[in-house]
Amino acid sequence: GDSVTQMEGPVTLSEEAFLTINCTYTATGYPSLFWYVQYPGEGLQLLLKATKADDKGSNKGFEATYRKETTSFHLEKGSVQVSDSAVYFCALSDRGGTASKLTFGTGTRLQVTL
Amino acid sequence: GAVVSQHPSWVICKSGTSVKIECRSLDFQATTMFWYRQFPKQSLMLMATSNEGSKATYEQGVEKDKFLINHASLTLSTLTVTSAHPEDSSFYICSAREGQWGQYFGPGTRLTVL
Repeated sequence: GDSVTQMEGPVTLSEEAFLTINCTYTATGYPSLFWYVQYPGEGLQLLLKATKADDKGSNKGFEATYRKETTSFHLEKGSVQVSDSAVYFCALSDRGGTASKLTFGTGTRLQVTL
Repeated sequence: GAVVSQHPSWVICKSGTSVKIECRSLDFQATTMFWYRQFPKQSLMLMATSNEGSKATYEQGVEKDKFLINHASLTLSTLTVTSAHPEDSSFYICSAREGQWGQYFGPGTRLTVL
């Protein structure tokens, strides 16, 4: 079955540091890939998405590129802020669209300090 | 953006009792809602897909008689954990579908069974 593997946290960075959170997946066919973010006390929010190979999703300074050859979708940000502290989930949908069933990774907690 | 609420946000109950969790889409109608379960340091696991006016579709390994789902209106789905036991203690998250790309998540309900 489909699965998503992401790096364990927590990840602790100083403000303005570079962020990478690794995510790899296993799926049949051509899944759509997503990053969700969960701030304390809130529900998961879609951060960015990519629907086909070589697509780059981007939002709020975060980027991730759909790499079919390495089955990866790593999340990056050039300069993190304290407000980026949250839990980040990598996910896939094998039917396209976030409205379909989603398979999630375990989540990576990011803590950004001054 | 679309908002999904859950009630209660946390609940403690005695073993053998039943607990109902509500999931509401506050500003949109959702014909489909999803129920997830999350254990500490693990990913969100889809339990069931709830469709308004019809029976829920349960994922493999989820006991439908234990986790009763009712989607009686376009804005409300409920999950009832019947005869709860300590192993049912977990974080339950719902989401509501809007269109192809919209899947909006509630903040979750933490259930503790004593």
